[in-house]
Amino acid sequence: NAGVTQTPKFQVLKTGQSMTLQCAQDMNHNSMYWYRQDPGMGLRLIYYSASEGTTDKGEVPNGYNVSRLNKREFSLRLESAAPSQTSVYFCASSEALFGGQIYEQYFGPGTRLTVT
Amino acid sequence: RKEVEQDPGPFNVPEGATVAFNCTYSNSASQSFFWYRQDCRKEPKLLMSVYSSGNEDGRFTAQLNRASQYISLLIRDSKLSDSATYLCVSRDNYGQNFVFGPGTRLSVLP
Repeated sequence: NAGVTQTPKFQVLKTGQSMTLQCAQDMNHNSMYWYRQDPGMGLRLIYYSASEGTTDKGEVPNGYNVSRLNKREFSLRLESAAPSQTSVYFCASSEALFGGQIYEQYFGPGTRLTVT
Repeated sequence: RKEVEQDPGPFNVPEGATVAFNCTYSNSASQSFFWYRQDCRKEPKLLMSVYSSGNEDGRFTAQLNRASQYISLLIRDSKLSDSATYLCVSRDNYGQNFVFGPGTRLSVLP
């Protein structure tokens, strides 16, 4: 059981280049998330997808786009990378909130992105 | 004001010590709470969910006080391997979002 997988693990981009970060989960979760983590800032939500076919902006969506390709996969695209997007990116998944059930998030190993 | 706040730390404690972390949340609609652990350069991993009545898992005890909107984590008999950053997390009853605190760093010293 792989859980949440992310590719690539590391990436260096030049300013203005584009790239897509891939995320997949095999836990049949409805909800998926993209976060970035910067020193001293904690985890900040970029976009999330409550269910297949829906996406919503989080706290810091500017400069990013997402695609919920199917229930398993949720990709994050940087159309024109900027040095301010240098960060560690985490994908996560969770079961959707239902009734009084407590459902936690599971995280992928992260992608370390440097934009020069 | 951040929605979830934690002790800034860092906490430096000797092996065998008992250490307590505090967390407060401002969204009264928050329904589910968690403690995650994050090792350096790794992803956050669930340490424990926090139940209304409080819960214990080995050396770890979590408490929830809804009236004060306060969550705590107690670690007894600290081990070197407990050194990590501890993240307090809330989830509200209406949205799908998890809100993370900034984390408290713990270093257990030999």
